Amino acid sequence: DIVMTQSPDSLAVSLGERATINCKSSQSVLYSSNNKNYLAWYQQKPGQPPKLLIYWASTRESGVPDRFSGSGSGTDFTLTISSLQAEDVALYYCHQYYNLPRTFGQGTRVEIK
Amino acid sequence: QLQLQESGPGLVNPSETLSLSCSVSGGSISSSRSYWGWIRQPPGKGLEWVGIFYFGGTTYYNPSLKGRLTLTVDTSKNLLSLKLRSVTAADTSMYFCMRGSHDNGDYGPSDLWGQGALVTVSS
Repeated sequence: DIVMTQSPDSLAVSLGERATINCKSSQSVLYSSNNKNYLAWYQQKPGQPPKLLIYWASTRESGVPDRFSGSGSGTDFTLTISSLQAEDVALYYCHQYYNLPRTFGQGTRVEIK
Repeated sequence: QLQLQESGPGLVNPSETLSLSCSVSGGSISSSRSYWGWIRQPPGKGLEWVGIFYFGGTTYYNPSLKGRLTLTVDTSKNLLSLKLRSVTAADTSMYFCMRGSHDNGDYGPSDLWGQGALVTVSS
C-alpha cells in the first residue's frame, strides 16, 4: 500500500495569512504515460463528508475558491490556502488514487490563531 | 444534480453482518462515466478506503477487510449496497458512499459523497 504522510498534524494561522500543508507519498503517484499525478486534496468540516478541493495534484474542483491551490509532483505535494478565511477551519486530507487500495493521509487540522 | 444517500441500521451486534445501502438520485448508477464505492471513518479518526465497484461489474476490496466485504449494485433500483460480515467493534465507523469519475479508462478521485451512515458495533 502507498503510505501518505501529512505534515504538520495541525497548524494555527491568522486570518488572511497563508496556510501550507505538505503531503508525502511512500512511492511516486506520477503516471509517466500521461504525466498526471494521481493526488487529491479534501476538506472535511465537522459533521460533513469530505469535499474534493484539488485533483491531479493541482486542478481545482469547480466552485472551489481560488485561494486554494495544489502543487508538487512524484512523491511531494503541497496544499496552500493563500489567505485563510474563517470558513476554512477544517481537517484536510491528501489522497492517492494511483493504485489500489487507495489511501489517505492522516489529516491536518487547520485552525485560526 | 447527482445525490447519494446512505441508509441502514445504526447498531449491529458483534459477529453479525453489517448491511448498508446507498441510493443514487439525479443520475444513473449504470453510467460509464462513473464508478462507485465506500469509504469509512471511525469516530474521531481518519479516512479508510473500503472498496470500489467499477462500471462493468468489477469490484476491488481493501485487503485489510480480509474477505469479509461484498459490494453490489442494483441497476434497476439505482442502489449500491455494502455487506460486511463478522463485524467487531473495530468496524464502528461512519460509512460514506461515494462516486468517482471514469473517462476512457482513467479513474479520477471520489468527487461526490453521501452524508454518511454511522454504524456502531456493540451488543
